[in-house]
Amino acid sequence: QVQLVQSGAEVKKPGASVKVSCKASGYTFTSYGISWVRQAPGQGLEWMGWISAYNGNTNYAQKLQGRVTMTTDTSTSTAYMELRSLRSDDTAVYYCARGGSGSYYNVYSHWGQGTLVTVSS
Amino acid sequence: EIVLTQSPATLSLSPGERATLSCRASQSVSSYLAWYQQKPGQAPRLLIYDASNRATGIPARFSGSGSGTDFTLTISSLEPEDFAVYYCQQRSNWPLITFGQGTRLEIK
Repeated sequence: QVQLVQSGAEVKKPGASVKVSCKASGYTFTSYGISWVRQAPGQGLEWMGWISAYNGNTNYAQKLQGRVTMTTDTSTSTAYMELRSLRSDDTAVYYCARGGSGSYYNVYSHWGQGTLVTVSS
Repeated sequence: EIVLTQSPATLSLSPGERATLSCRASQSVSSYLAWYQQKPGQAPRLLIYDASNRATGIPARFSGSGSGTDFTLTISSLEPEDFAVYYCQQRSNWPLITFGQGTRLEIK
């Protein structure tokens, strides 16, 4: 079965960077992209971006351009999301998600368990 | 950016009742709309995609309808486990994926 297992909670100071991992199993990693979605405490879902695990192509949300980088390591079937210059409003649970095949790459049928990133001085 | 507005913000109903949740898009998204359910401390779960298609393993009491700018998620007869927050998501304007702000379905 498809599984996405994320790294553990992080506490960072303002201005620092965080890198969250998402290890995939149960499917051919390079056949699907990985998206990242975050959720601030008590708030809704915010799409952050997407990376193709096949060729590394990326699309990022405009508000995060320049601060976010998504990468993959096909040798370990792991996707990464790095966010730099952290601010207090980056405090959120960060999810990785996988879509379906073909044109359903952005319909999120599989999700990681979430990683809480807390930004506090 | 396409804005999705969900209503009501909170819906209070009893088990066995019918729930109707609305999602309105600021411009047409054709049928490229999905619905997710999220329970406290859990990741979202895909319920409906392309407006009216149930995802794998989703009970038949969940149904979706609509196209263009107006969409509805209906739960025909509420079970205790259905009380949660529901989000709509559009994928028409790739890569500008957006979610609605959510509807909280609570027990009356």
